[in-house]
Amino acid sequence: GAVVSQHPSRVICKSGTSVKIECRSLDFQATTMFWYRQFPKQSLMLMATSNEGSKATYEQGVEKDKFLINHASLTLSTLTVTSAHPEDSSFYICSARDSDAGELFFGEGSRLTVL
Amino acid sequence: GQNIDQPTEMTATEGAIVQINCTYQTSGFNGLFWYQQHAGEAPTFLSYNVLDGLEEKGRFSSFLSRSKGYSYLLLKELQMKDSASYLCAVMDSNYQLIWGAGTKLIIKP
Repeated sequence: GAVVSQHPSRVICKSGTSVKIECRSLDFQATTMFWYRQFPKQSLMLMATSNEGSKATYEQGVEKDKFLINHASLTLSTLTVTSAHPEDSSFYICSARDSDAGELFFGEGSRLTVL
Repeated sequence: GQNIDQPTEMTATEGAIVQINCTYQTSGFNGLFWYQQHAGEAPTFLSYNVLDGLEEKGRFSSFLSRSKGYSYLLLKELQMKDSASYLCAVMDSNYQLIWGAGTKLIIKP
């Protein structure tokens, strides 16, 4: 079946540094990808919708200058957490919509810990 | 390898009860999640189990048996709006979420 790959799966960084998380659709093209954030025992929170070749659409309350999203190709979207702080520590998940079939597939998630 | 198995599709009648099963094999276990997803929308959190037993929340209940690698989601008094996909996901020892393919639930009047 279709696979969405996220990298890295786990990252630890120092406060003030930037971290980039990649989301790739491995066997399908995705004009639209989504980035979510999940706190323990809570629902996935949609952060932004990433559209290939255009600017991402951010949900209310999400700082676009802090969470930079780039969707430069039909198979890759990146989320960069800039100047990370401990409160940014969370589980980040991406999903990709198959451009042909319309189905949504989820990545494995990336756990970010900011010290 | 790691895998999550759940039925592809189920059909039930409005007002009835349906049980959606999920079996898993993962590297470690940090909890099992059930999500509901309507077509074209982001999934919404339904439940989280980390200890064995039944967790009841209104019309929805979730059960976990860690020794058997098994969980189920029980939906009572089904309503037409419950027609959706139900996703089972397990958080492994590396805090990665391993997702099932989802069970499409069709509710008939």
